[in-house]
Amino acid sequence: SSELTQDPAVSVALGQTVRITCQGDSLRTFYASWYQQKPGQAPVLVIYGKNSRPSGIPDRFSGSSSGNTASLIITGAQAEDEADYYCNSRDTSGNHPLVFGGGTKVTVL
Amino acid sequence: QVQLVESGGDLVKPGGSLRLSCGASGFAFSDYYMTWIRQAPGKGLEWVSYISSSGSTIYYADSVKGRFTISRDNAKNSLYLQLNYLTAEDTAVYYCARATSITIFGINHWYFDLWGRGALVSVSS
Repeated sequence: SSELTQDPAVSVALGQTVRITCQGDSLRTFYASWYQQKPGQAPVLVIYGKNSRPSGIPDRFSGSSSGNTASLIITGAQAEDEADYYCNSRDTSGNHPLVFGGGTKVTVL
Repeated sequence: QVQLVESGGDLVKPGGSLRLSCGASGFAFSDYYMTWIRQAPGKGLEWVSYISSSGSTIYYADSVKGRFTISRDNAKNSLYLQLNYLTAEDTAVYYCARATSITIFGINHWYFDLWGRGALVSVSS
């Protein structure tokens, strides 16, 4: 399959941990990258590679991967983490090399 | 300052054309692959096209193949997207983004580490 599948929405209590998942056949070979997007803003890279964070991204963001599933974990979610999160990876089945998941809306309660 | 700035977004009629530009500054533009990614109103991100650092390798999403053309001018630190035969389904914010890869056990894993603020393209009669 050329798709990356994400749950449309998840919620997390302030200070608790939330796992956002991304499923797709290409994830058995390629790591996902993860992007945070707040309303009216451009996406921001938060995780890439096996589990790397760009400079400036808090260490409460981490990534993991197992089989065909990649996960973005927010440990100790803060109010400012409320946003849409998108995964991206290679597309191993089609003629175009890159694909995004549908996005997950994270609500911090 | 490391940044990407898109320009050229506009309101166009169905069947019309538009050229988007993305100016890069603060980094060695000619060393990087570059991409266009779009987001329709209220929808998710959709990868549109990418171009290699030299311009010799280009890919398009099926939804724009044959209608859109990506190009770059490394001397001007600029990326372009020519949009032709536009339809209402092309209405979106178009982002340019820098593509970078990390090699792990011989496999390249790509990610977009720098994004512009986007340019709005509206297609309507």
